[in-house]
This record gives sequence, structure tokens and C-alpha cells, in this order.
Amino acid sequence: DGGITQSPKYLFRKEGQNVTLSCEQNLNHDAMYWYRQDPGQGLRLIYYSQIVNDFQKGDIAEGYSVSREKKESFPLTVTSAQKNPTAFYLCASSIIGGSGANVLTFGAGSRLTVL
Amino acid sequence: KNEVEQSPQNLTAQEGEFITINCSYSVGISALHWLQQHPGGGIVSLFMLSSGKKKHGRLIATINIQEKHSSLHITASHPRDSAVYICAVSPLLIHYGGSQGNLIFGKGTKLSVKP
Repeated sequence: DGGITQSPKYLFRKEGQNVTLSCEQNLNHDAMYWYRQDPGQGLRLIYYSQIVNDFQKGDIAEGYSVSREKKESFPLTVTSAQKNPTAFYLCASSIIGGSGANVLTFGAGSRLTVL
Repeated sequence: KNEVEQSPQNLTAQEGEFITINCSYSVGISALHWLQQHPGGGIVSLFMLSSGKKKHGRLIATINIQEKHSSLHITASHPRDSAVYICAVSPLLIHYGGSQGNLIFGKGTKLSVKP
């Protein structure tokens, strides 16, 4: 079955450490996204990518980095510069162009806790 | 002011009740989405609509573009409907630019259906 796989599902990090969250999709989608979800808030866009080797900052990119070396993969690194990294992180993908471009397919999420 | 507002924030219903969740938005949009997030965290897309009404099983979504308002209805509610329901909009690119998949999310409505 096609879908998006995020790993790990739960991750604990000490302050000052970088961590990388994995996101892989086999939907042949061109666009991929990373969102952050905090309690009582709507999802906020961190980074997105529409093509391999290119990505754009979202609304809250500070303290995060991404890469898009393959169409299927869009890993997110939470760096030590991110002041409040404890959150639920969701990866999503979509096609580009046409009405289907608005429909996102989401992964199951990764919950990061900083100790 | 949030660009996408949902009400109520929390909703408790008895099994079998008719449920309505409301969403108002303040920006020009190309589409509106209703999403469902289960306790485990994964999100699924329920509807994408730009006019009128859509129905899928016991779920009905309506939108009034002139009033910038949408409703999600659940008929004959069941405990398995318990989840967070999220309204999101695809803003017009002339206003926001960026990817077609960039959505603006509401904070969600937490629904609990008691047996």
C-alpha cells in the first residue's frame, strides 16, 4: 500500500543534541511538507519541498533543517538552536498541479521530547 | 486573530446524536479541508470542497463561500467517531504564494462520543 512512513514514532533528546526525523513516501508525490503541532494550536509549516534538491522555509523554520536528495525522502533535523523543540511533528506529501495538489497525505507523526 | 476559527473547541455527545462542527475563515481560499486526527496522532483527509456540499457515509460537509463558513456534520454519531476534527484552508496563491499544498489550519475540535 502507498503511504508515508515516519520514524521514530517517539524520540527523546537531551538539550544541545541534534536529532533527525525520517519521512519516506512511496506515493510518487513531488511535494513534501513538515508540520509542527503543539497542544491547543493549529499545525504550523516548518519546511516544504516541491522538487529534489530544493526546499523552502515555512512559517517556523528557525532551528530546523531539511534535505531532499531523493524524491521519496524528506528528513527533518531539529537542531540545538531550536529553543522549544518538544512537539509532535507531522510529515505530509501531495501532488503538484491540479485540484489534487491541495490534498495532503499525512504520516503517523513523530513525538519529540527534550529532557 | 486566527485566520481559521473553529467552534466548539471541545464537544461531548451521546451515541446517536447529530453533531455539527463549525469553521470560519477570513482569507480568500481555493479550497477548504476537513481532516480527522485520531488519538494516535495520524491525520486523514475527510473532505476537500470549494462549493456546496459533500457527503461520505455519515459525514456531510458544507461550505458557504460568501459567508466564509463551513460546517461538518456527523449523523448517528458513534464512539469510533471520537477524534479531533481539523478545518484547514488552501489560501489563494496570489495572497500567500508558495506551494499549493500550504494550508492554514484551525486549532481543531475535540469530539468525544459516549456510548
